[in-house]
Amino acid sequence: SQQGEEDPQALSIQEGENATMNCSYKTSINNLQWYRQNSGRGLVHLILIRSNEREKHSGRLRVTLDTSKKSSSLLITASRAADTASYFCATDGKAAGNKLTFGGGTRVLVKP
Amino acid sequence: ETGVTQTPRHLVMGMTNKKSLKCEQHLGHNAMYWYKQSAKKPLELMFVYNFKEQTENNSVPSRFSPECPNSSHLFLHLHTLQPEDSALYLCASSQPGTGDTEAFFGQGTRLTVV
Repeated sequence: SQQGEEDPQALSIQEGENATMNCSYKTSINNLQWYRQNSGRGLVHLILIRSNEREKHSGRLRVTLDTSKKSSSLLITASRAADTASYFCATDGKAAGNKLTFGGGTRVLVKP
Repeated sequence: ETGVTQTPRHLVMGMTNKKSLKCEQHLGHNAMYWYKQSAKKPLELMFVYNFKEQTENNSVPSRFSPECPNSSHLFLHLHTLQPEDSALYLCASSQPGTGDTEAFFGQGTRLTVV
């Protein structure tokens, strides 16, 4: 199974609502990152949270990290149609040779 | 734009063809990566280059042959591919040793093997 696994696999919400997705991982990490991918395009880095941090904000994004539960969440507040994309978590840890390991992603659809 | 450019954006090739994918970055990064993204599967790391040296080959079939002539350029040479190799191939770069391994991705090459 993957180091990072997102939940849910797909999410459909109305514009203006909040979107929350979760990521679980198995081994210790140096940091956890969230990326966004528009259909058929490359991934774009959104935010990085280090293993000694618990919460981080960037604009409408809020990321939490619970290392005791080996889980992270990404919250997008006041969603917009342009937020429609797939969101991936990626972990960077010694077990993976300090390479990024990606999960399967959450597909988010924001309906106008 | 992320600073990582991939060409071509789309490629259709027959199983007997030979083609190459190109990736270029001018971010000053010393690590470059090839990923494969198939439908409904997680991103698969294929190859890693650090300072032009290949440091990772994730059991990739020999019909995929990477080349890194310098820290700014990365190629993926393709020959005798199979239809199941059809996927989005993504190149990425990062700066190792900085503690934060943020990766910058290209837009990808959509490969279709017929």
